[in-house]
Amino acid sequence: GEDVEQSLFLSVREGDSSVINCTYTDSSSTYLYWYKQEPGAGLQLLTYIFSNMDMKQDQRLTVLLNKKDKHLSLRIADTQTGDSAIYFCAEAGKLIFGQGTELSVKP
Amino acid sequence: NAGVTQTPKFQVLKTGQSMTLQCAQDMNHEYMSWYRQDPGMGLRLIHYSVGAGITDQGEVPNGYNVSRSTTEDFPLRLLSAAPSQTSVYFCASAQADYGYTFGSGTRLTVV
Repeated sequence: GEDVEQSLFLSVREGDSSVINCTYTDSSSTYLYWYKQEPGAGLQLLTYIFSNMDMKQDQRLTVLLNKKDKHLSLRIADTQTGDSAIYFCAEAGKLIFGQGTELSVKP
Repeated sequence: NAGVTQTPKFQVLKTGQSMTLQCAQDMNHEYMSWYRQDPGMGLRLIHYSVGAGITDQGEVPNGYNVSRSTTEDFPLRLLSAAPSQTSVYFCASAQADYGYTFGSGTRLTVV
């Protein structure tokens, strides 16, 4: 089946790094995405990685892709309270989202 | 360029009432979909469409109907509202393999 799995909660202190993990099932996905949902809002596309890449860096965000293990991660450096949100990973062309990871950043 | 527009933002219905949640996009996207989001359940796919005139069921289609007569619009109809349909509903659109653009959501309460 098409399942995306993520851990449900992550709590970090302000200034620390956060790592949010995701496993997916479809090895043919061309792109993999990370979305951010702030409280009371819709999902916004945060970043993405093309499937032929291992890593992508975008300011404080680093996306790592391990195609062999079908594992995707999002690292947020110097995590701020404004990063508190739910983060979803998703596969291109797939309509199924996981439960999302709720990131809580404590001052 | 408005993106994905959902109306209304909030709605309270009585059990048994029907209503239509509206979704419109101005990006000429082929794909459109409806999700509901409940605490602890993530996003669950209700119905989706890969183009005008084509719709299909998602994970939780019961109690909902959709149609796609134009590329721009993808309304979601609740036939006879039930308290179990209290949720936040999101519409999204995408072009082929690119990421989805989401609307801001409709918060529905059924009493």
